[in-house]
Amino acid sequence: QKEVEQDPGPLSVPEGAIVSLNCTYSNSAFQYFMWYRQYSRKGPELLMYTYSSGNKEDGRFTAQVDKSSKYISLFIRDSQPSDSATYLCAMILTGGGNKLTFGTGTQLKVEL
Amino acid sequence: NAGVTQTPKFQVLKTGQSMTLQCAQDMNHNSMYWYRQDPGMGLRLIYYSASEGTTDKGEVPNGYNVSRLNKREFSLRLESAAPSQTSVYFCASRHSGTSKNRGLNEQFFGPGTRLTVL
Repeated sequence: QKEVEQDPGPLSVPEGAIVSLNCTYSNSAFQYFMWYRQYSRKGPELLMYTYSSGNKEDGRFTAQVDKSSKYISLFIRDSQPSDSATYLCAMILTGGGNKLTFGTGTQLKVEL
Repeated sequence: NAGVTQTPKFQVLKTGQSMTLQCAQDMNHNSMYWYRQDPGMGLRLIYYSASEGTTDKGEVPNGYNVSRLNKREFSLRLESAAPSQTSVYFCASRHSGTSKNRGLNEQFFGPGTRLTVL
């Protein structure tokens, strides 16, 4: 079993829809949680970062962490075609030397 | 600032050939990382360097060597390439330290090198 599980998709939604992307993890020592966005043939870029349970909002994006359930989510409101990308969750262990453990990524396509 | 740069962008090798992937960053970051990305596997850490002069193995180090040439540069070498090393390779860098501060935990990625081993 992988430490971080993520549905690979692809996920296709119409423009304006609310998108929900999710990851589950097995190791309760994960302390920091991130969402990276990766456009086709590009490197990942950090989108959201959080370290506590609860919600964190940044514009149209909301990151949600539930440590008791070992579950994290990224919500995208009013999705746009420019949001079409692969979204990777990533986590850092407490005392883990800042090494990232990634999910496999979910491919999202937002259609006009 | 160019950020993190990688060369080459594309490479095709024959089994048994060797090559070095180059990575450089101009953000004065202490830590640097090499990942490979494969379909269905996500990004996996090959090697990392927490600071100049140190290197450590990641999740999938077999078949690779690294050199932290100076603070800016971190190279990845394949001594005898195998088809299983066909992948997209990403270099990343990070400032230093661990805290709740996003700026200290964010890894910045390069554009990647697409490697095919025949």
